[in-house]
Amino acid sequence: DAGITQSPRHKVTETGTPVTLRCHQTENHRYMYWYRQDPGHGLRLIHYSYGVKDTDKGEVSDGYSVSRSKTEDFLLTLESATSSQTSVYFCAISNRLAGQSTDTQYFGPGTRLTVL
Amino acid sequence: AQKITQTQPGMFVQEKEAVTLDCTYDTSDPSYGLFWYKQPSSGEMIFLIYQGSYDQQNATEGRYSLNFQKARKSANLVISASQLGDSAMYFCAMEDSNYQLIWGAGTKLIIKP
Repeated sequence: DAGITQSPRHKVTETGTPVTLRCHQTENHRYMYWYRQDPGHGLRLIHYSYGVKDTDKGEVSDGYSVSRSKTEDFLLTLESATSSQTSVYFCAISNRLAGQSTDTQYFGPGTRLTVL
Repeated sequence: AQKITQTQPGMFVQEKEAVTLDCTYDTSDPSYGLFWYKQPSSGEMIFLIYQGSYDQQNATEGRYSLNFQKARKSANLVISASQLGDSAMYFCAMEDSNYQLIWGAGTKLIIKP
C-alpha cells in the first residue's frame, strides 16, 4: 500500500472559520491531488500539484487554496468554510514520469469534514 | 467534453457468480487511461485495474478483468467468482491527456450469500 496519510480524519467546524487539511506521503511521488466526494457523485478534482510550489486548479477549485512547500506534504485550505463544503476529502498521489502519458493514482484514507 | 457514464446505480449478484459492471466514456483525446476503483463501506479508495487506450489486450488482475471495446467506448469491469467481500461501490475513471481523472457516479454492488 502507498504510504499516504491524511489529517485530521474527521473534523467538525463552523461556517466562516478557516480549515486546513493535510496530506502526507512517504513515497516521494511527484504528483499530489485533492478531491472531494459527495453522495451521488464520483470524485471531483479540487487542485493538484506536479512538484514543490507547482500547483494547478481542478474542476471545483472555488473556495479552496493549496500549498506544497515539500515533496511529501500537500495542504488544502478552506479560507472561510461554508456548508456546501461539507464533504469527504481524498488526497491522492501518482508518480508520472517524464514522457509517460498516464499513471495510477493511489488514495489516502480520506477526511470527513462537516461545516455547521 | 470528457465524460464517464456508469448506468447501473446498484446491482445484486449471487455469491460465486460472475458480474459485469458497465462503464462508457467519451473523449476526443487519442491517448487516455481507464481505471476501476473499489470503495468498500469503510471508505477507502482501492485501485483495481488499469487499461491504456493503446493497449491491444484487455487488462487482467486476478479475478478482475477489463472488457475494453474501444470502438464502442466502453470499459466494463468483470469480476469472476464473486465473493461477499466484493460488496462495495465501484467507480470507473478516465485520465485524459491533461492528467486529470474524470469519474463516473459509481455502481453499488451487493453480493448475496
